[in-house]
Amino acid sequence: SYELTQPPSVSVSPGQTASITCSGDKLGDKYASWYQQRPGQSPVLVIYQDNKRPSGIPDRFSGSNSGNTATLTVSGTQAIDEADYYCQAWDSTSSVVFGGGTKLTVL
Amino acid sequence: QVQLQESGPGLVKPSQTLSLTCTVSGGSISSGSYYWSWIRQPAGRGLEWIGRIYPSGSTDYSPALKSRVTISIDTSKNQFSLELTSVTAADTAVYYCASGDMGTHYFDYWGQGTLVTVSS
Repeated sequence: SYELTQPPSVSVSPGQTASITCSGDKLGDKYASWYQQRPGQSPVLVIYQDNKRPSGIPDRFSGSNSGNTATLTVSGTQAIDEADYYCQAWDSTSSVVFGGGTKLTVL
Repeated sequence: QVQLQESGPGLVKPSQTLSLTCTVSGGSISSGSYYWSWIRQPAGRGLEWIGRIYPSGSTDYSPALKSRVTISIDTSKNQFSLELTSVTAADTAVYYCASGDMGTHYFDYWGQGTLVTVSS
């Protein structure tokens, strides 16, 4: 079955840039999406089709996807960005797959 | 703006069937651009996709849960439903319904989630 691997945690200082990676076999050949989940809340789509932002998502969120790795980048990180982030892709054998999630801490 | 709302029992006994319904408002469940999914999240853990249903009624399920899952759709009520049989404590989780883009498989609208506890 297809798997997506994320680091369990990433730390960043306020105002700095955070990068969260998501690894999977030939992930660059698929579309990657990213979700933000704050404690006690439903996930919110922040990036779709590798690098597109839904309406209302700040432009400090950006995405890329190439080779075996998709990356979510948060520029000028703010305290409000502290949350869990999940990558997601679709695979023909496993259908929808989520990564294990990364806790972003803004120190 | 599409909104989704889960409903159903919050407590299910082991070996019984978990049944949830998702009501869609602000748009038609028969829209040609979306499919409708169930996703769950055990406490403190990550997201797990359960399955999806297209407006046509066609379904796909997670290989890990396929033998126990049925998703159905009622277009007249703008609802879709989940049944998970033979539940155990491992099925205790927050269950979300979500709308998925047919073309590139991202989930742009989510329900608030409902906690289902499996316990006697």
